[in-house]
Amino acid sequence: DIQMTQSPSSLSASVGDRVTITCRASQSISNSLNWYQQKPGEAPKLLINTASSLQSGVPSRFSGSGSGTDFTLTISSLQPEDFATYYCQQSYSTPTFGPGTKVDIK
Amino acid sequence: QVQLVQSGAEVKKPGASVKVSCKASGYTFSVFYLHWLRQAPGQGLEWMGWINPHSGSTDYAQKFKGRVTMTRDTSITTAYMELSRLKSDDTAVYYCARDLRDSSISPTPASWGQGTLVTVSS
Repeated sequence: DIQMTQSPSSLSASVGDRVTITCRASQSISNSLNWYQQKPGEAPKLLINTASSLQSGVPSRFSGSGSGTDFTLTISSLQPEDFATYYCQQSYSTPTFGPGTKVDIK
Repeated sequence: QVQLVQSGAEVKKPGASVKVSCKASGYTFSVFYLHWLRQAPGQGLEWMGWINPHSGSTDYAQKFKGRVTMTRDTSITTAYMELSRLKSDDTAVYYCARDLRDSSISPTPASWGQGTLVTVSS
């Protein structure tokens, strides 16, 4: 299976900050990379598919980039509702997820 | 709108089996693959497998082969996941999720059920 890593594992940020989360695959996955947001007690929500395609209804402050093995999720201006855990997932083969990045309030 | 409603929480003893249901509505059930995933308390997400509701064909993660069975009943647009020989580390929230696309390419759980907590304890 393809292994996914994320960094950092957690970060503290303030409202209005620009936040970047990195995801790395153990082998090239082209652009087969999705990003999810999960809030406590809720199911994950798909934010971005195929590395950079924003899901309908997701605010434009979220963006994704990358290809091959290295990917990033960027939140351009952090909002109160964005404090959550973010997971990457590769869809190149048998799905696997990164361990998550928890974004909390500084 | 896509809606997936899962069955309620379960408490099971080690060695028992559990069967979780996932009732789908708001779309054509047979067209989109359904994933099953789980999340242990405080842990990340783990993909268990998926089912093609049209054909009933399945693909399971290696870790669960021999212990998991995914089925569906198209007449009531419901999918099922049964996990046998439960152990304490099977305690988790189990999710069903509909794929983003009407194909088996690039598996992407897109629309999720609310989750079902399965607790395995003696």
